[in-house]
Amino acid sequence: NAGVTQTPKFQVLKTGQSMTLQCAQDMNHEYMSWYRQDPGMGLRLIHYSVGAGITDQGEVPNGYNVSRSTTEDFPLRLLSAAPSQTSVYFCASNDGSAGSTEAFFGQGTRLTVV
Amino acid sequence: GENVEQHPSTLSVQEGDSAVIKCTYSDSASNYFPWYKQELGKGPQLIIDIRSNVGEKKDQRIAVTLNKTAKHFSLHITETQPEDSAVYFCAAGALDAGTASKLTFGTGTRLQVTL
Repeated sequence: NAGVTQTPKFQVLKTGQSMTLQCAQDMNHEYMSWYRQDPGMGLRLIHYSVGAGITDQGEVPNGYNVSRSTTEDFPLRLLSAAPSQTSVYFCASNDGSAGSTEAFFGQGTRLTVV
Repeated sequence: GENVEQHPSTLSVQEGDSAVIKCTYSDSASNYFPWYKQELGKGPQLIIDIRSNVGEKKDQRIAVTLNKTAKHFSLHITETQPEDSAVYFCAAGALDAGTASKLTFGTGTRLQVTL
């Protein structure tokens, strides 16, 4: 029972490099989202998806792209990394059915941009 | 958009004492208020939540209260234990499709329970 799996756990990038943070869930959840966590700022929503083929922007979407081609996967792409994107990134999912509200989080990806 | 403020940022209590963490929110449309616990190196985990149609909810040593009029909600932990040491986040959202995908989080409270 893996839940929400994020890879990699740690990553160091140079400014301007691109990369994709992977997120996969095996709970058949419709809803998935990406947050970034910075010291003193809590978790801020980057992008979210309410189902395959549907994505929308959250509070801090600039510099990030997402796509949702399958129910299981929701990758987050950094096209040109900047030091301001140094953060811990969390992926979350929930099944979205009536009365089901719990969001399940992955273990996070710690990204450093130098 | 929604704005959630959380206090205090750090809290140290002795084992067995109670701990209270308070949050305020700004958007009257928010009607779902979860609390998450984050242990070192792990993702946040839901510990309790409350919807706006109730004023209080309890689960063993944990309780949450909600005052819709004042737009604030609080987490109460009684008989604290060392394993309660963690960072706690409050959040607010609107209960519609995908609500847990669109939560606004507070800035977190680091709780330390000392022996």
